[in-house]
Amino acid sequence: QQQVKQSPQSLIVQKGGISIINCAYENTAFDYFPWYQQFPGKGPALLIAIRPDVSEKKEGRFTISFNKSAKQFSLHIMDSQPGDSATYFCAASNNQGGKLIFGQGTELSVKP
Amino acid sequence: GAVVSQHPSWVICKSGTSVKIECRSLDFQATTMFWYRQFPKQSLMLMATSNEGSKATYEQGVEKDKFLINHASLTLSTLTVTSAHPEDSSFYICSARPLAGSYNEQFFGPGTRLTVL
Repeated sequence: QQQVKQSPQSLIVQKGGISIINCAYENTAFDYFPWYQQFPGKGPALLIAIRPDVSEKKEGRFTISFNKSAKQFSLHIMDSQPGDSATYFCAASNNQGGKLIFGQGTELSVKP
Repeated sequence: GAVVSQHPSWVICKSGTSVKIECRSLDFQATTMFWYRQFPKQSLMLMATSNEGSKATYEQGVEKDKFLINHASLTLSTLTVTSAHPEDSSFYICSARPLAGSYNEQFFGPGTRLTVL
């Protein structure tokens, strides 16, 4: 119930391509769905987040698509760049304590 | 804005010693801070939730006597790993939830790499 399942585990994309990472959850009480970017040896940084009252949110090259009925959400990185190479984590939380439940992570490599 | 710092950024210690890690919110007040542990190539695992002025709440399986957490002010939480052993070697990351703003939002520190010899 508390799990967030993330796929794929790793992803290789050519420069300029679209990177897509997917997450699925079970707990319908979740009401906040952020994506984090983490570089080796660094803490995660918030990229973009969405709440279930909208189906899509875009910030620059990053877009979250949210499907409430399927309990799935995804991150799309448009025009992927080598500098985007990092590990990406999806997460979910609710207003009962606000604890973040993280997905397993996706290691993205963007080839020049 | 919303900067969280950790000190030290890395530490090496001998088995059996204690290590203290500080987490500070630099430009905001945080009633709640979270402590995570991350092993190589793995996700973040929540260890405990720290609320200012009260006892921390530990996740199942986390030894509260081994990982002492103190949240003495609205900008500082500390994690002390007592009697550290090699299996405690990991990347420890804190996050802080602003007093003002979204209830769910957390800002993460840069992490502390602990190596126990």
